[in-house]
Amino acid sequence: QQQVKQSPQSLIVQKGGISIINCAYENTAFDYFPWYQQFPGKGPALLIAIRPDVSEKKEGRFTISFNKSAKQFSLHIMDSQPGDSATYFCAASIGRAGYQKVTFGTGTKLQVIP
Amino acid sequence: NAGVTQTPKFQVLKTGQSMTLQCAQDMNHEYMSWYRQDPGMGLRLIHYSVGAGITDQGEVPNGYNVSRSTTEDFPLRLLSAAPSQTSVYFCASSYGPGGARYEQYFGPGTRLTVT
Repeated sequence: QQQVKQSPQSLIVQKGGISIINCAYENTAFDYFPWYQQFPGKGPALLIAIRPDVSEKKEGRFTISFNKSAKQFSLHIMDSQPGDSATYFCAASIGRAGYQKVTFGTGTKLQVIP
Repeated sequence: NAGVTQTPKFQVLKTGQSMTLQCAQDMNHEYMSWYRQDPGMGLRLIHYSVGAGITDQGEVPNGYNVSRSTTEDFPLRLLSAAPSQTSVYFCASSYGPGGARYEQYFGPGTRLTVT
């Protein structure tokens, strides 16, 4: 059972455009929602994260929007650049203490074309 | 700091062979994890450790063993390789001095093919 559903599977955006990746979750106990960015041949790296008590978090060109009632969250990349071309994973975990098992989405391959 | 290192980078095994994937971190992190990444399935947790001598199973533990004798090292053993274990394996660590529990640092991965 996929607890974190991610869409689209792939995305092509023009340079300067907005890239939007959506995720939905089922378990209301999740309390931490990170996004990871992965370049080819590399391991994922934490990009930005949000707690469910906040509806939006912005870091530079990257923004997470969070809708707790709909159990959905999304990543917006403003002014997308070719260097943003990578695979993006949304994720969710439970617990503010101890080891947190992370459930990952299936990934979105983003290509930003000049 | 080297961060999280993994060896080897690539490996080809025959069905039934065994091998150990190495993982080390130099950030004094308490938690370490092994994931496998397969196309269209994201990353799935195999095993994890919350400290030296303490390990537990993740989502897909069958066919794999782990141990953690030191804080720095967390090897993953494939007991009898099967084609279904063809995947990219990532080691991750988290929770060190002054750091957040939830921020995981991933190694560069090991691409394993079982024929």
